[in-house]
Amino acid sequence: DTGVSQDPRHKITKRGQNVTFRCDPISEHNRLYWYRQTLGQGPEFLTYFQNEAQLEKSRLLSDRFSAERPKGSFSTLEIQRTEQGDSAMYLCASTTGDRGYNEQFFGPGTRLTVL
Amino acid sequence: AQSVTQPDIHITVSEGASLELRCNYSYGATPYLFWYVQSPGQGLQLLLKYFSGDTLVQGIKGFEAEFKRSQSSFNLRKPSVHWSDAAEYFCAVGGSGGSYIPTFGRGTSLIVHP
Repeated sequence: DTGVSQDPRHKITKRGQNVTFRCDPISEHNRLYWYRQTLGQGPEFLTYFQNEAQLEKSRLLSDRFSAERPKGSFSTLEIQRTEQGDSAMYLCASTTGDRGYNEQFFGPGTRLTVL
Repeated sequence: AQSVTQPDIHITVSEGASLELRCNYSYGATPYLFWYVQSPGQGLQLLLKYFSGDTLVQGIKGFEAEFKRSQSSFNLRKPSVHWSDAAEYFCAVGGSGGSYIPTFGRGTSLIVHP
């Protein structure tokens, strides 16, 4: 399968622990996006990369959230000192080109539960 | 700031009936508009998009949408719904002015009765 993959699919953690999620985009896609989706809501933009450059990170929810894409391929999203309010689905999407109307291809998401 | 309103949280239709899901957007310039579908346990999949040209857009799975600038709307339609269309549908607006960050609506859950 050559779609966007995310790992793990589910993560249960205790409050205060750090978690890291991985996203592998479609191989030729240069843009990679992270979103958060809570129950009954649409995806909420967090950050995005063009190749290895993080072009927008002001919408990360707090300084506990950080993301990397070190070689312009896979990306990681880390949440430090997790809180119960961080429980959500975290989605990754990738696209190619530099047009705002290019289709984003979404992964299946990582569901985070913070106890 | 760009925004999207999907006024219907749930829509229930009978199989074979027609469907229209509403989407209103707010954007200061020419918008890029999208409809995505999300089935349980699956990622979002693009149904169709509008960025220029013909305001009636055809998509996959028999869906279409019409961009109406005067009404700031981009409603999704299907003439005959199948049980497999039951899913969550999201409208999104993206920027044509250099911003590549889409804003999604809260979604409409489609329930299909046999």
